[in-house]
Amino acid sequence: DAGITQSPRHKVTETGTPVTLRCHQTENHRYMYWYRQDPGHGLRLIHYSYGVKDTDKGEVSDGYSVSRSKTEDFLLTLESATSSQTSVYFCAIRRAGSTDTQYFGPGTRLTVL
Amino acid sequence: QKEVEQDPGPLSVPEGAIVSLNCTYSNSAFQYFMWYRQYSRKGPELLMYTYSSGNKEDGRFTAQVDKSSKYISLFIRDSQPSDSATYLCAWGSGAGSYQLTFGKGTKLSVIP
Repeated sequence: DAGITQSPRHKVTETGTPVTLRCHQTENHRYMYWYRQDPGHGLRLIHYSYGVKDTDKGEVSDGYSVSRSKTEDFLLTLESATSSQTSVYFCAIRRAGSTDTQYFGPGTRLTVL
Repeated sequence: QKEVEQDPGPLSVPEGAIVSLNCTYSNSAFQYFMWYRQYSRKGPELLMYTYSSGNKEDGRFTAQVDKSSKYISLFIRDSQPSDSATYLCAWGSGAGSYQLTFGKGTKLSVIP
């Protein structure tokens, strides 16, 4: 257990509405990541953070923004949700002292109607 | 050429069988190799981690890496129904943002 929680765990929303997903960690890790997982595409990196207020884009960042105002929280925002953003979203952390291993949260299942 | 290739399956085997899961990669910068296991509707969990060519064993699981061929494998001995899951291979370069590149996953079913 990497001490990661995600909220909400399930959400149904309508096209055009803003949505914010929260990732919370209890172990003070510097690196945090947001992925989406879709059939046929696997896990794809959306954004990541390497410290408070330090974030960068991943492979599929269009339509998403992130914020990290505290070490423990990493927020993913869909400014205007679209049906193509229906997916399962996972947050992950990298433990200090490890190399490239990441530990994942339980996921948020988002449906955009 | 895609950076990572993984046969999506699905793969169905009888209980007790030896399972072989495979991935190939093209990026020579990859230095660290991982296998994750993901049960249905759960997050991926780290199963095996290695950074060198050769074999690494952990119980019924063996991870094999061949850097010269850019090929990694996961072997499961005496497979159990509880091994039914999707298995993801992953690579990292050990630098910068510590990003990982994932295969698309192979879905395994072990039939009692």
